[in-house]
Amino acid sequence: ETGVTQSPTHLIKTRGQQVTLRCSSQSGHNTVSWYQQALGQGPQFIFQYYREEENGRGNFPPRFSGLQFPNYSSELNVNALELDDSALYLCASSLVPGQGALDTQYFGPGTRLTVL
Amino acid sequence: LAKTTQPISMDSYEGQEVNITCSHNNIATNDYITWYQQFPSQGPRFIIQGYKTKVTNEVASLFIPADRKSSTLSLPRVSLSDTAVYYCLVGAHNQGGKLIFGQGTELSVKP
Repeated sequence: ETGVTQSPTHLIKTRGQQVTLRCSSQSGHNTVSWYQQALGQGPQFIFQYYREEENGRGNFPPRFSGLQFPNYSSELNVNALELDDSALYLCASSLVPGQGALDTQYFGPGTRLTVL
Repeated sequence: LAKTTQPISMDSYEGQEVNITCSHNNIATNDYITWYQQFPSQGPRFIIQGYKTKVTNEVASLFIPADRKSSTLSLPRVSLSDTAVYYCLVGAHNQGGKLIFGQGTELSVKP
């Protein structure tokens, strides 16, 4: 069974640029969630995708957007990067959104984004 | 969504039992309590989930009193490799798949 993978591991961008982060779900999982984790803080929910549709969004501006592909892999796109976007970006996959109790999400190792 | 409060940090020694308590006074009837563990430079990892009384798995135990306004994660005989941040989350499946993380408890296990 393959776990959640993310690419790239690290990324350095300058303010105003655009970035795309990628995530491959754990085998058999059809739901992907993205989180932003600033240094010393807990992860903050950005959005979730289920069957290629957005299935919930946190308090993030529209310049944060995403995609989910038929194979359930996903992309997070951030436009017009700001210094505060520097963080660890985590992708998590799960089997079905909202099944019973709080669904267990399986996290990838994250992408460390630095905005200069 | 229920807010959680937990200690910012805890210290322990190898071989001891560690109990981390989380307060969630406004927990809703449909909410479950879930704990995640996060090592540096890694994503969080699910540890345990419960609704009431006691849940035990190969990693930890979760104690939930009858009023469910708090919960305690118990780690038996910790080792150095248990040094991590532990997050208490409260919620239900009807919150759009969102996991709400607080600041977590940074557990440091010393030799």
